[in-house]
Amino acid sequence: DIQMTQSPSSLSASVGDRVTITCRASQSISNYLNWYQQKPGKAPKLLIYAASSLQSGVPSRFSGSGSGTDFTLTINRLQPEDFATYYCQQSYSPPPHTFGQGTKLQIK
Amino acid sequence: EVQLVESGGDLVQPGGSLKLSCAASAFAFSNYWMSWVRQAPGKGLEWVANIDQDGSEKNYVDSVKGRFTISRDNVKNSLFLQMSSLRAEDTAVYYCARDPYQRYSSSRFDFWGQGTLVTVSS
Repeated sequence: DIQMTQSPSSLSASVGDRVTITCRASQSISNYLNWYQQKPGKAPKLLIYAASSLQSGVPSRFSGSGSGTDFTLTINRLQPEDFATYYCQQSYSPPPHTFGQGTKLQIK
Repeated sequence: EVQLVESGGDLVQPGGSLKLSCAASAFAFSNYWMSWVRQAPGKGLEWVANIDQDGSEKNYVDSVKGRFTISRDNVKNSLFLQMSSLRAEDTAVYYCARDPYQRYSSSRFDFWGQGTLVTVSS
C-alpha cells in the first residue's frame, strides 16, 4: 500500500498568516492527491482534488501544488475558521486510497 | 441539497456483527462510486472500502478483508457495510462518502455523511 506522510503534525499560526502543509507519498502518485479539512466533531470537507483543483465553494485562499511524490497545501491570509485538522489522501489506483496522518493547525 | 445519513452504529461485543446503512438523497445515487471511511477516537482517517456504481466492483483495506462486506441498493438509494468478527480496533466513527470518480477523472470524496459510531467492547 502507498504510505502518505504529512509534515508538520501540528502547526501554530496567526490570523492573516500564510501556511504550508506538506504531504509525501511513498511512491509516485502522479497528481492523484486530495486535501480535506476536518473540524472537531464534524465530517471532513474536500478542499483540493487532483493536487491543484479547487473544489467548488472552497475559498481561493486555499491552493494545492505538486506531483509525483511531493505535494503542498497552502492557505493564504488565514481566517479564524481555517483552524482545523488537514488530511491529504492519495487516490492512485488501485485502492486502498490511504490518508496522511493529519496536520493540526492551531491558533498561535 | 446532497445528503448522506448514516445509521446503525452501536455498542457490540468483540466477535459480534453489525450492519451500517447510509441513506442518500438529492443526487443520482446509481451514478456514483461510494465509500466507507472510518476514524478511531482521536485518530486520523482510514479508507475502509468502496463500491462501484452497480455493485460489481468492491475494494477493501486489508484489515477488514473477509470480515466486512460493502453493498448497495440503487432502488432504495442506500449504501451498506456489513461488519462481522468485530474487534476492538474496529471502534470508530464510520462515514459514508460520495466519490464522483469517472474514467479519466480522479477519485475523491466530495460529500460525506455525519458519521455513525461503532464501539466494540465487552
